[in-house]
Amino acid sequence: DVKVTQSSRYLVKRTGEKVFLECVQDMDHENMFWYRQDPGLGLRLIYFSYDVKMKEKGDIPEGYSVSREKKERFSLILESASTNQTSMYLCASSFGDRRYYGYTFGSGTRLTVV
Amino acid sequence: TQLLEQSPQFLSIQEGENLTVYCNSSSVFSSLQWYRQEPGEGPVLLVTVVTGGEVKKLKRLTFQFGDARKDSSLHITAAQTGDTGLYLCAGVPGTNAGKSTFGDGTTLTVKP
Repeated sequence: DVKVTQSSRYLVKRTGEKVFLECVQDMDHENMFWYRQDPGLGLRLIYFSYDVKMKEKGDIPEGYSVSREKKERFSLILESASTNQTSMYLCASSFGDRRYYGYTFGSGTRLTVV
Repeated sequence: TQLLEQSPQFLSIQEGENLTVYCNSSSVFSSLQWYRQEPGEGPVLLVTVVTGGEVKKLKRLTFQFGDARKDSSLHITAAQTGDTGLYLCAGVPGTNAGKSTFGDGTTLTVKP
């Protein structure tokens, strides 16, 4: 079964900490995405990548960075965690032309910043 | 930014009833996808519709893409408790480089 695996289901971090969220896919997908999901705000795109070492800003990139050193791995970095970054973080991947192929999502990481 | 509006936001029905969820936009999309998300999990892709007027069926679920490719609907026949979840639509813009737009979702509760 194809999979997108996020390293942690639940994470609690302190304000100011540097936080790494890891995502690995086993489907050889070119495209990878990081979203956050908040009640009333839906899914908001943070960053995405169409190829190794390539990244594009999404709608809300402030306070975040990403790394894609290998095709299967896409990491989200919170440079200095703040309480307003408490959220559900979802990683997704897709194959080729997204008009025809949808996203495969991971199970999510629920991050709480205290 | 292209916006997608879903309605209703919340829906609570009895098992066996039929329902329709709508996804509307003023923008044209090259395709539209529907996902279902259960609590604590990521969304799971149900269907992709590409052609204006296209109708796709997945067991008791029927998906339709509007003729102008600006809107879509999801109809569930004889809902079951297992259909409970958050239903999301996502519009894919005209080029692959564009960012998909997600609606805010419809939370469906099917009571036994």
